[in-house]
Amino acid sequence: NAGVMQNPRHLVRRRGQEARLRCSPMKGHSHVYWYRQLPEEGLKFMVYLQKENIIDESGMPKERFSAEFPKEGPSILRIQQVVRGDSAAYFCASSPGAGAYNEQFFGPGTRLTVL
Amino acid sequence: TQLLEQSPQFLSIQEGENLTVYCNSSSVFSSLQWYRQEPGEGPVLLVTVVTGGEVKKLKRLTFQFGDARKDSSLHITAAQTGDTGLYLCAGAGTGRRALTFGSGTRLQVQP
Repeated sequence: NAGVMQNPRHLVRRRGQEARLRCSPMKGHSHVYWYRQLPEEGLKFMVYLQKENIIDESGMPKERFSAEFPKEGPSILRIQQVVRGDSAAYFCASSPGAGAYNEQFFGPGTRLTVL
Repeated sequence: TQLLEQSPQFLSIQEGENLTVYCNSSSVFSSLQWYRQEPGEGPVLLVTVVTGGEVKKLKRLTFQFGDARKDSSLHITAAQTGDTGLYLCAGAGTGRRALTFGSGTRLQVQP
């Protein structure tokens, strides 16, 4: 059973460029979550999506950040016009669906470096 | 805003010793998870607790959820060098699926 897959594992961008981070959930999982871990800080929730729907985006910065989880293909976290403060590890997690346990399984992360 | 405070932040012990890590909040959580994270990797789920007062054991690790579902503890018996890592607690508020993470406890087990 493949776990949550994220690519790329490392991404380097110059200020002003766009960053696209991809996440393929575990087989059978229909819920995807994105979290960000800034250097020396804890994991912070960004957005929760189901297929073709954004359910909770309360942790997403208001500008430059967007996320989607299309009917076919991986979930994408897109950061436009990146700035140095966007440098962080971005983790995707997936869960099988609604339920009391809300168990989320994490991918290995994408480490974004903005030069 | 829900906050989870973990203590201690850092812990360095000798192999064979016991330890307890605490996760506390003033908020009620519908579920609480413990993860372990290695450098350069994503968090790995260790356990989920749901019921107040629940105790779960995973080999030498014992997890407890407080009666009021506001706090939790992780106890490791006879620590091994392989237990070294960052331990994170994370909780979901009632009606929400977003996880709030604690700041983590960095454990170093010396041989």
